[in-house]
Amino acid sequence: EAGVAQSPRYKIIEKRQSVAFWCNPISGHATLYWYQQILGQGPKLLIQFQNNGVVDDSQLPKDRFSAERLKGVDSTLKIQPAKLEDSAVYLCASSPRNTGELFFGEGSRLTVL
Amino acid sequence: KQEVTQIPAALSVPEGENLVLNCSFTDSAIYNLQWFRQDPGKGLTSLLLIQSSQREQTSGRLNASLDKSSGRSTLYIAASQPGDSATYLCAVLMDSNYQLIWGAGTKLIIKP
Repeated sequence: EAGVAQSPRYKIIEKRQSVAFWCNPISGHATLYWYQQILGQGPKLLIQFQNNGVVDDSQLPKDRFSAERLKGVDSTLKIQPAKLEDSAVYLCASSPRNTGELFFGEGSRLTVL
Repeated sequence: KQEVTQIPAALSVPEGENLVLNCSFTDSAIYNLQWFRQDPGKGLTSLLLIQSSQREQTSGRLNASLDKSSGRSTLYIAASQPGDSATYLCAVLMDSNYQLIWGAGTKLIIKP
């Protein structure tokens, strides 16, 4: 079974530039999460989708972050414009509805200079 | 509001020892509890998932227990090895809104 796929793995940009991350969840998983993890800290939920609907985006900085999940499958997370404090690993996870077990991708590491 | 606490924040033990990591939560209305492992610079790997109706799960040298009434879970690692060195995180999935609440993790170092 293929795991959660994320790209790019690494991205370096300058502040005020934009960046987009892509996630393809495990086939059939209805729930998709985007997390931000800053070095030395636990994951912080940015947004949670159930199919293509948003369940929780209370911690998403909506002035600069946006996310969509078209057709309830893959998802993109965009940051525009980026700030220095956005430097982090962006993790995507998916889970099936019946067990609620989360499976994570390898993450996309963003460095903002 | 659910709070998840992991103690200790860091732990260093000699190779071969058995050890226990702790995870406590304040709201027992959970759907499940999951233990993860994270190596430096890597994503999170699921270790064990315990559904709310279960008391424990085992995988190899790992055993996780769940006591909902006391709001506690433990991850037991038998015969620790240097390769077990990583950060271990627990997370609870809430029954009401399917929200996942994380502990801050325990950084484990196994000394050869």
